[in-house]
Amino acid sequence: GESVGLHLPTLSVQEGDNSIINCAYSNSASDYFIWYKQESGKGPQFIIDIRSNMDKRQGQRVTVLLNKTVKHLSLQIAATQPGDSAVYFCAETPSTSGGGADGLTFGKGTHLIIQP
Amino acid sequence: NAGVTQTPKFRILKIGQSMTLQCTQDMNHNYMYWYRQDPGMGLKLIYYSVGAGITDKGEVPNGYNVSRSTTEDFPLRLELAAPSQTSVYFCASSQLLGGFGTGELFFGEGSRLTVL
Repeated sequence: GESVGLHLPTLSVQEGDNSIINCAYSNSASDYFIWYKQESGKGPQFIIDIRSNMDKRQGQRVTVLLNKTVKHLSLQIAATQPGDSAVYFCAETPSTSGGGADGLTFGKGTHLIIQP
Repeated sequence: NAGVTQTPKFRILKIGQSMTLQCTQDMNHNYMYWYRQDPGMGLKLIYYSVGAGITDKGEVPNGYNVSRSTTEDFPLRLELAAPSQTSVYFCASSQLLGGFGTGELFFGEGSRLTVL
């Protein structure tokens, strides 16, 4: 069946370096993509989103890239800080969704570890 | 605004016991959701609601029930607890998602349930 997944379960980076977290999706009808951050013991928090008519979107220290040809999504975090340590989830929903999160599919997550 | 509030944060149940996880939000969101998160896995949708009086099954509804008598509250009921229901449960709320709005699901802090 269709699924959203992540290439690496754990990513370790040096503080100050840039981090790149990858996500592959298989649903060709996916229209809208979201990245969430989940710190230990907390609920996920929205980071950034992107629609399928875009290739790139930038936020504060974060950039999401979408390659629809190979069904690949990535989250780039610039100048990684200790507070960036968390599990990062990608999620997608198809254009046929009625507008609620019932059509939202989450990946398994990548654990980002920041080395001092 | 308190956002999404879940209680209890932790609970241990014996097999066959029943309990209700409470969830309330003060953002006047129409959409509310219950997810479960198993170790190393993404979030799985249990039930959702698009407004007061309306609920629907998600991906993994078996063993659970919900009600939505008000916009603010969306309790999750476990009738006959089983070890397979050991998990972390997250309640969330949102406005419209995808092409109709933003991807921002607002999550509670989670309820860790253990069934022995």
